[in-house]
Amino acid sequence: SQQGEEDPQALSIQEGENATMNCSYKTSINNLQWYRQNSGRGLVHLILIRSNEREKHSGRLRVTLDTSKKSSSLLITASRAADTASYFCAGGLFSGGYNKLIFGAGTRLAVHP
Amino acid sequence: NAGVTQTPKFQVLKTGQSMTLQCAQDMNHNSMYWYRQDPGMGLRLIYYSASEGTTDKGEVPNGYNVSRLNKREFSLRLESAAPSQTSVYFCASSARGSPGANVLTFGAGSRLTVL
Repeated sequence: SQQGEEDPQALSIQEGENATMNCSYKTSINNLQWYRQNSGRGLVHLILIRSNEREKHSGRLRVTLDTSKKSSSLLITASRAADTASYFCAGGLFSGGYNKLIFGAGTRLAVHP
Repeated sequence: NAGVTQTPKFQVLKTGQSMTLQCAQDMNHNSMYWYRQDPGMGLRLIYYSASEGTTDKGEVPNGYNVSRLNKREFSLRLESAAPSQTSVYFCASSARGSPGANVLTFGAGSRLTVL
């Protein structure tokens, strides 16, 4: 399977703590994207990091990409109850004749007040 | 702006029945996609339309057909539903190109159960 794998599958923390989610993938990618999905809703794009970038920030989000290890991490600092959601990584690559976006199975994050 | 709108939100079918999931976007995006999401798995691409007038198969196209009716609308049809098609279906759109090249905007999803 070309799907990414996320670790951990589930994460439970207290408000104010940092949350780190990891993503590993199997093939070379052009970019790595992170999406958030609130329960019963569609996915919302958070951040995109290109294969020639190592780190990217957006507000309380910090994403790293290590192409040599085929892995990425998403750090949410000073978490809030509203951050409770599932988080998905998605690798962008060209395969089978078209540009694909391959999603991982996601990490379920629960932030407790 | 509404973004990406899918209908219906919920549907229960019997094996062998047919149905069409509708999707419309109001962002003037060129490209539209249909994904399915199953428990414990990431989203898998069923079909996509890189631009108006074109459609292409994704990773899991068997049992589905699509129509890009115009720039705004992209429908997904199940001709003869099977229990294996029980899933949550998401429509998405992007400004250009195909999924690995840019950012997707998703609809809220359509939960389909096939008995």
